[in-house]
Amino acid sequence: KQEVTQIPAALSVPEGENLVLNCSFTDSAIYNLQWFRQDPGKGLTSLLLIQSSQREQTSGRLNASLDKSSGRSTLYIAASQPGDSATYLCAVNRPTDSWGKLQFGAGTQVVVTP
Amino acid sequence: GAVVSQHPSWVICKSGTSVKIECRSLDFQATTMFWYRQFPKQSLMLMATSNEGSKATYEQGVEKDKFLINHASLTLSTLTVTSAHPEDSSFYICSAKPFGPSPDTQYFGPGTRLTVL
Repeated sequence: KQEVTQIPAALSVPEGENLVLNCSFTDSAIYNLQWFRQDPGKGLTSLLLIQSSQREQTSGRLNASLDKSSGRSTLYIAASQPGDSATYLCAVNRPTDSWGKLQFGAGTQVVVTP
Repeated sequence: GAVVSQHPSWVICKSGTSVKIECRSLDFQATTMFWYRQFPKQSLMLMATSNEGSKATYEQGVEKDKFLINHASLTLSTLTVTSAHPEDSSFYICSAKPFGPSPDTQYFGPGTRLTVL
């Protein structure tokens, strides 16, 4: 059974610092891994998607790495801003799951203080 | 970008009543829609997968007679919580996978907060 874990559960940093968020999964047989952002009481916004054959993806200040063999992904957010405050979720899609079923971690709640 | 809406955004109901939540893909047709439930400070848990015109596939432990899913068209799926009880209070989120060359893409709705008194 696939388990997705995110550490830490919460993180508070001053503005300008880099953020490092971790995601681990127990079954390395994944199809892809995605990082999402969720604002309080809102739905999810997709940030980055990494295919199993890729090592990393970048979008602006965001960079996500994937080490499938060790079951880990890391989301880096450079030069954090107060607007980055949100909960960040990672999710994996397994080849055995059809139609893009996702399994989510519990998330890391991030607060960036001005 | 693709937009998925949910209605209502929040609902309060009495125990024993039924509540219907709508999920619509506004500017694309969805091959598949997913329904998730999220408790406070917890992850999203997949409840069921629905394809237009066919019966939904429920995850283990989800009561299909309690959470009725209807996917009547390529742009609309509904989740009905029947005989709701306080333990059904949660945040319900849907997502939709569009037709097209990006099979990994799915778009999430803004969620519906259900409170059962």
